[in-house]
This record gives sequence, structure tokens and C-alpha cells, in this order.
Amino acid sequence: EAGVTQFPSHSVIEKGQTVTLRCDPISGHDNLYWYRRVMGKEIKFLLHFVKESKQDESGMPNNRFLAERTGGTYSTLKVQPAELEDSGVYFCASSLYPGVTGANVLTFGAGSRLTVL
Amino acid sequence: AQSVTQPDIHITVSEGASLELRCNYSYGATPYLFWYVQSPGQGLQLLLKYFSGDTLVQGIKGFEAEFKRSQSSFNLRKPSVHWSDAAEYFCAVLNNAGNMLTFGGGTRLMVKP
Repeated sequence: EAGVTQFPSHSVIEKGQTVTLRCDPISGHDNLYWYRRVMGKEIKFLLHFVKESKQDESGMPNNRFLAERTGGTYSTLKVQPAELEDSGVYFCASSLYPGVTGANVLTFGAGSRLTVL
Repeated sequence: AQSVTQPDIHITVSEGASLELRCNYSYGATPYLFWYVQSPGQGLQLLLKYFSGDTLVQGIKGFEAEFKRSQSSFNLRKPSVHWSDAAEYFCAVLNNAGNMLTFGGGTRLMVKP
């Protein structure tokens, strides 16, 4: 079974530019999550999709961030325009089951490292 | 609000020595706790989880963790560390809705030959 795939692995852009990160979850996983880790900080939740619907986007930092999941398969996270403080590692995860059960295990991708100069 | 604290940012141990990584959580209800590991260039890999039942849980790669409600702790242990265990380790707690993990700041483990 293929894991969670993220692209690109590393992106370097200048302040004010736009970047789009992509996540391909494990096939059949309806639940898709975005997290990020800015330098020296904890990994923080950004949002949760169930299929193509945003279930919880309480962690999105501001309206420069736009996440989509058209068709309920892969997801994109666009940052426009990028600021210096957006630098960090963006993780995507997926899970088969929602809720609080022993079966709810999030599988994470390797992350996309974003560097804003 | 829930929170997770990993007091040790860096730990260095000798290969073959025992390891304990500390994790303290703050959560109002029954916590659902996880340990993840991130090796260089890899994603976050689940080591083990605690949902209920036996407070000593076994995970992959020879790791175990013990849930102690009285101390609000979920420390990770391994009796004999291997050089391949060098990585960053994250403790996390799941919220009631089951959709949001709150992570600690991570502990970076270095293993000396």
C-alpha cells in the first residue's frame, strides 16, 4: 500500500510569491489533515477534510492559506502571498476512520519544507 | 485546552544504553496518547498509542510507553538503544472529536557509538 505522498519535498520562494503544496493520501482514506511545523515550534494542526468537505479549519493561520480537496482525493494547500513566517515543514496525514477509536491512526507524509526568503 | 510538554529538547545516549523520553500532557478527559518518530527525510511514523486498558503499551522497534494518570505522563522507553534510533520523537494527544492531534515540541535523540 502506498503511503501519503507530498510534493514538493522542498520549495524555496521569495516573499510575496505563491506556492502550492500537494498531498496524495492513502487510497480510500476519507480523512485528510494538514499540519505544519514552523522553525523551533510544535507541530500544529491546520485543517481536516472529510472527503471534499472541510470538517475543521480552525488551525488555518489567516486568509493567505487556501486548502482544497476537489473530488475528495488529493489535496492542495496554497499560500498566497507567502510571508517569511510561513517558512516551515507542512505535513499531510490521512486516516480511514474518524473519531476517537483505536482504529483512528493518522498516517503522515514526509512533509513539504517551505523556505520563504 | 489540551497541551503536551516534552521537557527534553535534546538527549544523547550511548548505543546499547537504556532510553526514557519524557512526555507530560494536560487534558480534561481521558487522554488518547501517541508517540511518533521522525527520521531524517521520513514522515512521522507511529510508534505506539494508548487509548484504554493496560497502561503499559508496546510499540514497534522495541519501544514501550507507560501511561500514568496520576502524573499526567506518557513516557517512552527502550531498554537498549540502537544507532538507527537516532531521530526526533514526538508525543501527542488526540482531542475529543478525534480529528486533531496536539503535539509536544519534540525530543531529538542522538546515539553515540
